[in-house]
Amino acid sequence: GNSVTQMEGPVTLSEEAFLTINCTYTATGYPSLFWYVQYPGEGLQLLLKATKADDKGSNKGFEATYRKETTSFHLEKGSVQVSDSAVYFCALRHDYKLSFGAGTTVTVRA
Amino acid sequence: DAGVIQSPRHEVTEMGQEVTLRCKPISGHDYLFWYRQTMMRGLELLIYFNNNVPIDDSGMPEDRFSAKMPNASFSTLKIQPSEPRDSAVYFCASRGLLNTEAFFGQGTRLTVV
Repeated sequence: GNSVTQMEGPVTLSEEAFLTINCTYTATGYPSLFWYVQYPGEGLQLLLKATKADDKGSNKGFEATYRKETTSFHLEKGSVQVSDSAVYFCALRHDYKLSFGAGTTVTVRA
Repeated sequence: DAGVIQSPRHEVTEMGQEVTLRCKPISGHDYLFWYRQTMMRGLELLIYFNNNVPIDDSGMPEDRFSAKMPNASFSTLKIQPSEPRDSAVYFCASRGLLNTEAFFGQGTRLTVV
């Protein structure tokens, strides 16, 4: 079946540190891949997406590249801020449905 | 557009009572999804609709759960009777035919005591 496995947290960082959250997927065919972010008490918001191999999604300083050869879509940000504290979900879309990873809680300290 | 609108934002109810969660998708979106989020299981897809028709309800945990979409602008998720283990945050999401991503509502935090 289609599934996503992402790095378990929680992750605690200092401001301006480099952030990487690993995500790998299992799917038949060519799914679209996403990173969603959930701030405390809120719903999920799309952070970035990629719809085909070698696409790079980027938004708010975050980047992720769709790597078909390694079935990965790792999220990176070069310099995090306190406001980036949230739960991050990797997801794939296949056959109209979204499948989510378990989520990674990121806390950035000033 | 105001986005996906869910109501209520919070619901506290006693075990055995009926609970109805409501969702208004983004206008023009063809797909509507109901998800449940818990610490133990993360985000689970319960059911989704396409053009108001339920397509896949394999994620609905048991017969106590039911979902309807009487028209393109409204959907309900009903739990009858409710149990403490149903306590979770329930999210509604919608997606247009030409969108690759889904748009989520703020969620309803359900507590069954």
